[in-house]
Amino acid sequence: DAGITQSPRHKVTETGTPVTLRCHQTENHRYMYWYRQDPGHGLRLIHYSYGVKDTDKGEVSDGYSVSRSKTEDFLLTLESATSSQTSVYFCAISPRGRDSTDTQYFGPGTRLTVL
Amino acid sequence: GESVGLHLPTLSVQEGDNSIINCAYSNSASDYFIWYKQESGKGPQFIIDIRSNMDKRQGQRVTVLLNKTVKHLSLQIAATQPGDSAVYFCADTRGSQGNLIFGKGTKLSVKP
Repeated sequence: DAGITQSPRHKVTETGTPVTLRCHQTENHRYMYWYRQDPGHGLRLIHYSYGVKDTDKGEVSDGYSVSRSKTEDFLLTLESATSSQTSVYFCAISPRGRDSTDTQYFGPGTRLTVL
Repeated sequence: GESVGLHLPTLSVQEGDNSIINCAYSNSASDYFIWYKQESGKGPQFIIDIRSNMDKRQGQRVTVLLNKTVKHLSLQIAATQPGDSAVYFCADTRGSQGNLIFGKGTKLSVKP
């Protein structure tokens, strides 16, 4: 998985609680992304980062926030988890980001269940 | 809007046969495409990519064909093996935020 780890790999939580997912990379890539994968929707972008402390929203960012204090770590926080946020979350990295010929490499995913 | 889709949701082939997975895209400005393989419980894994200035690109047992006239690409897997069983996605890197636009995926099942 191209030097990308995600933690935790599985989590069950209750509605209304905050949850933080971590993505860690050892590739020193500038760009990092958070996607969620749901049946019938495929993979959708939540937030992305184009450098330390530089982040922006994706297409499904409501209810999520992110932070990137170091090149290697990108955190995704569900401020108050809801059942609609039950999903599998993937982190991806790429060296150049918006360059149209840049490949993205994915981590192993985190399966989150919100009860 | 931008969309990348797949013609068939499932494909079942016999071990040793060739597999062809198809993908259509709608953004005529798309100039780079990636095929990913996703096994159960794992993240998408890069297989092969192709730029719009190419019609064909070959890898190890895989070939991607691009037809820009009809906005169609395909992934061909030669001598399909049980280990090829997975969901295959095509993706277009022309998302407005630099993200990938994924198709819904085709599930490939290989019968021994």
